[in-house]
Amino acid sequence: EVQLVESGGGLVQPGGSLRLSCAASGFSFSSYSMNWVRQAPGKGLEWVSYISHSSSPIYYADYVKGRFNISRDNARNALYLQMNSLRADDTAVYYCARSRGAVPSHWYFDLWGRGTLVTVSS
Amino acid sequence: EIVLTQSPGTLSLSPGERATLSCRASQSVSSTYLAWYQQKPGLAPRLLIYGASSRATGIPDRFSGSGSGTDFTLTISRLEPEDFAVYFCQLYGISPRFTFGPGTKVDIK
Repeated sequence: EVQLVESGGGLVQPGGSLRLSCAASGFSFSSYSMNWVRQAPGKGLEWVSYISHSSSPIYYADYVKGRFNISRDNARNALYLQMNSLRADDTAVYYCARSRGAVPSHWYFDLWGRGTLVTVSS
Repeated sequence: EIVLTQSPGTLSLSPGERATLSCRASQSVSSTYLAWYQQKPGLAPRLLIYGASSRATGIPDRFSGSGSGTDFTLTISRLEPEDFAVYFCQLYGISPRFTFGPGTKVDIK
């Protein structure tokens, strides 16, 4: 089955760190660019970061730049998001999402995981 | 920075009715880079439309997308019970890489 499964969410104090993982299966993970997208409770969708199939280029949204780090391990079919200096407004469900193709015209998200909840609170 | 606005915020309709959802960009964009997603409560979003008008795999033909420049539309020709959800438009592949609209909720009248 083609799927993405996120893990690693939980409760963390402001200023703390957390590492999210996304396990891919059922497709050739190394051929696809990947993304992290978040959704605060009751709010809309917010793109967080993009990584190409080869790990270069990488892009971040301004609100996480310098605090979050995206990476991947193609041998393990895994995507990661290292989140540092966490703030209350980082509280959200974090989804990993696959980009359909390598060129910008195909960067739409054709496969999503079910998400993992990150709560930043003291 | 390009901003997307969606209207209306909420659309109250009955099953069988036609739904017309609007997505407006703050400046002209190529239709190549516009997508629509559906999200039901507690679930991940699902891709409906890419390139403004191309249906994703498995999406019923009652869903259609159109538009160009700054104005884009998602139309659901006849609402089925499973279509009541929140719909987001998205710009991708152009600065600032990925942008979502705030969403339109389609609920049962």
